[in-house]
Amino acid sequence: DAKTTQPTSMDCAEGRAANLPCNHSTISGNEYVYWYRQIHSQGPQYIIHGLKNNETNEMASLIITEDRKSSTLILPHATLRDTAVYYCIASWLLQGAQKLVFGQGTRLTINP
Amino acid sequence: EAQVTQNPRYLITVTGKKLTVTCSQNMNHEYMSWYRQDPGLGLRQIYYSMNVEVTDKGDVPEGYKVSRKEKRNFPLILESPSPNQTSLYFCASSYSTGGSGYTFGSGTRLTVV
Repeated sequence: DAKTTQPTSMDCAEGRAANLPCNHSTISGNEYVYWYRQIHSQGPQYIIHGLKNNETNEMASLIITEDRKSSTLILPHATLRDTAVYYCIASWLLQGAQKLVFGQGTRLTINP
Repeated sequence: EAQVTQNPRYLITVTGKKLTVTCSQNMNHEYMSWYRQDPGLGLRQIYYSMNVEVTDKGDVPEGYKVSRKEKRNFPLILESPSPNQTSLYFCASSYSTGGSGYTFGSGTRLTVV
């Protein structure tokens, strides 16, 4: 199971794009990259996931490098409500379900 | 509204007094799971259930029990709580493989004195 490495904290100005990096250099071919965020002490919220291709949904975009050793989560127009801890997870199927192992994440602060 | 509901939100109890934290989801999800979150240790999985009557241990199952008699409910049972079980607990659910992401509850903050 691959570990991920993220910066401890980041700042971004409101209205700008927030780019959150994640390294997963030991990721295996069957592991997905998942992103969740946790606002204060609320339950984590699913954002996006991908295997090889870049992905986009209404919340964010996920860019995965061709060698899959790193990825970037992009919040295109950050708002104050995007202030949260963001978790990048290399997830694999365990007995038919995606196994999530949460690290410490990146504390993203959006500044007015 | 699609959601995972945990009760209670806050609980203070004494060592050794059995307690149950309830979890219910209204999305007809097959998969449910319990996590605990502690400072410096992140979220760790306690137990999970692939479907009714199917449960399995996660990474930190000691001191906990679960049951899955109905699809929508997945209670977490602490038979004899101890202070090291003081933590923030989250229940999560998803469709069978979790490929679309898990939906988490709002959390239960448990203090054992």
